Amino acid sequence: GENVEQHPSTLSVQEGDSAVIKCTYSDSASNYFPWYKQELGKGPQLIIDIRSNVGEKKDQRIAVTLNKTAKHFSLHITETQPEDSAVYFCAVSAGPTSGSRLTFGEGTQLTVNP
Amino acid sequence: KAGVTQTPRYLIKTRGQQVTLSCSPISGHRSVSWYQQTPGQGLQFLFEYFSETQRNKGNFPGRFSGRQFSNSRSEMNVSTLELGDSALYLCASSYLYNEQFFGPGTRLTVL
Repeated sequence: GENVEQHPSTLSVQEGDSAVIKCTYSDSASNYFPWYKQELGKGPQLIIDIRSNVGEKKDQRIAVTLNKTAKHFSLHITETQPEDSAVYFCAVSAGPTSGSRLTFGEGTQLTVNP
Repeated sequence: KAGVTQTPRYLIKTRGQQVTLSCSPISGHRSVSWYQQTPGQGLQFLFEYFSETQRNKGNFPGRFSGRQFSNSRSEMNVSTLELGDSALYLCASSYLYNEQFFGPGTRLTVL
């Protein structure tokens, strides 16, 4: 089955710095790559996603890049703020053949220090 | 639009009992997926329902089951609870494939 590895497991940055989280996956049929942010006591919140026909997508301070050849994708957060502190999960899906099933990475605890 | 709602939010059960969790998807969403989240195993897919049919199933024992109703609301049931079933159970809904929106989860504690 699909295997997703996420690094680092913890990341501490100063407010205003950039943060980068990376994920690799194993199934070349994967074609959808979302990122979720989970705050304490809440469910995961979809923050950005990318599909396999796109190499990069940006939404204000958040961007995701995808390298299908190398089977890895990354989340980039610029100008970090204390409210960005949370656990971030990457996920992959193989699309219609697997329905809406997502396989998640282990998560990254991001701490933004004021 | 209202988000995904899950009830109850917290639940305490003892070993051997059974439990039923409920999920109401975002209006218009026909797919409902369930995930188990634990510190040790992370987020793991349980199953997905689409138009009242199970479309996909993860690697969980038969004690875990689910169903979906004609209004897309879904329930999951865990029978003969074990200590290891203590977890946050998350429900997610989607309109078509992929984009999934999660509810706040049900925190199940098995004593």
